[in-house]
Amino acid sequence: AQSVAQPEDQVNVAEGNPLTVKCTYSVSGNPYLFWYVQYPNRGLQFLLKYITGDNLVKGSYGFEAEFNKSQTSFHLKKPSALVSDSALYFCAVRDSRRDDKIIFGKGTRLHILP
Amino acid sequence: NAGVTQTPKFRILKIGQSMTLQCTQDMNHNYMYWYRQDPGMGLKLIYYSVGAGITDKGEVPNGYNVSRSTTEDFPLRLELAAPSQTSVYFCASIHPRGLTQYFGPGTRLTVL
Repeated sequence: AQSVAQPEDQVNVAEGNPLTVKCTYSVSGNPYLFWYVQYPNRGLQFLLKYITGDNLVKGSYGFEAEFNKSQTSFHLKKPSALVSDSALYFCAVRDSRRDDKIIFGKGTRLHILP
Repeated sequence: NAGVTQTPKFRILKIGQSMTLQCTQDMNHNYMYWYRQDPGMGLKLIYYSVGAGITDKGEVPNGYNVSRSTTEDFPLRLELAAPSQTSVYFCASIHPRGLTQYFGPGTRLTVL
């Protein structure tokens, strides 16, 4: 069965510093991987995805993520954090062999300190 | 396009009551999903559907039922509400050739 792990409940970063939010996954086939962001009292918004090709994918708001097959990871990154990046971030996975079920991690709360 | 809409936005139920959470999308998406979000637990998949007449269980289906009679609508039914079903419920849809989920604004349900 597919699964997603986000090992950090919360990440604190000073504004202007680089940030990383970690995600590891488990699937039987090839993974389709996603990052979503949720602001308070809002639904989820899509940030970026990895399907195939270049391991470094770029997304909205200056975020990027690196796919690492050997480590089964898909960490979210940003070179310089903004206070407005503070939100709840979710990693999700879809198994290419069974492409209809999409499973989410438990989320990581990102606090950017001014 | 309105995207994915959910009604109601808020609801308080008493234990044992029943209700239906409505979800509608106007993007002609075949795939639709129901998730619940609990603090610290992330999103858990309840049920999903790959098209009208087809539904399948997700990670936490117990206590819920779904139906999919049209492409646009995917209602979630709670038959006997329990306090453990207090949560925020999100509906999402996706085009089968696209890979990005579009989420509704959510329904906050409290069972007392």
